[in-house]
Amino acid sequence: DAGVTQSPTHLIKTRGQHVTLRCSPISGHKSVSWYQQVLGQGPQFIFQYYEKEERGRGNFPDRFSARQFPNYSSELNVNALLLGDSALYLCASSFQMTGGEETQYFGPGTRLLVL
Amino acid sequence: GQQLNQSPQSMFIQEGEDVSMNCTSSSIFNTWLWYKQDPGEGPVLLIALYKAGELTSNGRLTAQFGITRKDSFLNISASIPSDVGIYFCAGLSGGSNYKLTFGKGTLLTVNP
Repeated sequence: DAGVTQSPTHLIKTRGQHVTLRCSPISGHKSVSWYQQVLGQGPQFIFQYYEKEERGRGNFPDRFSARQFPNYSSELNVNALLLGDSALYLCASSFQMTGGEETQYFGPGTRLLVL
Repeated sequence: GQQLNQSPQSMFIQEGEDVSMNCTSSSIFNTWLWYKQDPGEGPVLLIALYKAGELTSNGRLTAQFGITRKDSFLNISASIPSDVGIYFCAGLSGGSNYKLTFGKGTLLTVNP
């Protein structure tokens, strides 16, 4: 079975531009989360979507938005890019077990460089 | 907001030695997860803990969910060179404020 897939793997943008990152979850997983990881830090939670609804949001500005499609894939959009948005963007998919337990599985990430 | 304190920040050990790292939090979590991340890749799940007091093993790895639900530790026994990497703890809080919070990571170096 394929794991979480993300595209593109690498991306270079300039300040002020817009970027769209894509994620496909593990088959059967209905939840997708997005994280930003800057060098030397742990991943920081941006959003979680479950059944196409936003279920959680981290402390990120409104320039960051996301959506989930009927096939459970997801897009993360970032507008008006800043130099500080340069990071590894990680997507994770998860499913809830009958007892409510949930575990997140990560994709390889998209490395974004803003010049 | 929630914060995870992960220690130590880095470790340099000899092959064959045992390793221990831990995370503490000011908040209660429903789930503790331990991940390993290699450079340029996404975190890979090592162990998931769902109940306070739970002790779980995965090969040479053992992790425990603290009784207070505010801490967890990860032990690696008989380390080998491929154990090199950054280890992250993460606490999951659910409900209306769903969020996975990561520690800052422990960089493990194993000297052959």
